[in-house]
Amino acid sequence: DGGITQSPKYLFRKEGQNVTLSCEQNLNHDAMYWYRQDPGQGLRLIYYSQIVNDFQKGDIAEGYSVSREKKESFPLTVTSAQKNPTAFYLCASSRPGQNYEQYFGPGTRLTVT
Amino acid sequence: AQSVSQHNHHVILSEAASLELGCNYSYGGTVNLFWYVQYPGQHLQLLLKYFSGDPLVKGIKGFEAEFIKSKFSFNLRKPSVQWSDTAEYFCAVRGRAAGNKLTFGGGTRVLVKP
Repeated sequence: DGGITQSPKYLFRKEGQNVTLSCEQNLNHDAMYWYRQDPGQGLRLIYYSQIVNDFQKGDIAEGYSVSREKKESFPLTVTSAQKNPTAFYLCASSRPGQNYEQYFGPGTRLTVT
Repeated sequence: AQSVSQHNHHVILSEAASLELGCNYSYGGTVNLFWYVQYPGQHLQLLLKYFSGDPLVKGIKGFEAEFIKSKFSFNLRKPSVQWSDTAEYFCAVRGRAAGNKLTFGGGTRVLVKP
């Protein structure tokens, strides 16, 4: 089955620690995205990547970092600089170009205390 | 910059009632429009999309949406809801000049009472 996997489903960290969220897809999609979902705010774009070894900041990139060394993988690091990291994080992928929708993974719920 | 507004944050209705969820966007150029649904405990999935052509779009599970360009709207409708339509619904817009970037509305939580 093709799809997007995110692990783990739940993640707990202490304040001040960096944490990396995993996102893997086997859909052979070139483009990948990271969103953050907060109640009442919908999904907000953190980072996106149109192709391997290239990525761009989204609307709320501060305190986050990404890498795209492989087509199928797009890990997100939530750094200690992110002021409000507790949230539900969603990864998505799509084919390149204007005519394709994004497919979403199951998400990771991060709690920082 | 593009933005999306969903007017209702929460909607509660009974089975067999009709549903209409409002979505307005702000973007001056050509747009692609989407409705996604997130059922409890499940992935966000696409309900329907509009790229061009007939402004009345039909999606999965009996949903449809109408693109009204003059009103910058893309409202979602279903004539008769079921308990299984309980979910959170998100409208999203992609401006043609914005590349592949999607902008989402704040979501509407729909509770269908049996």
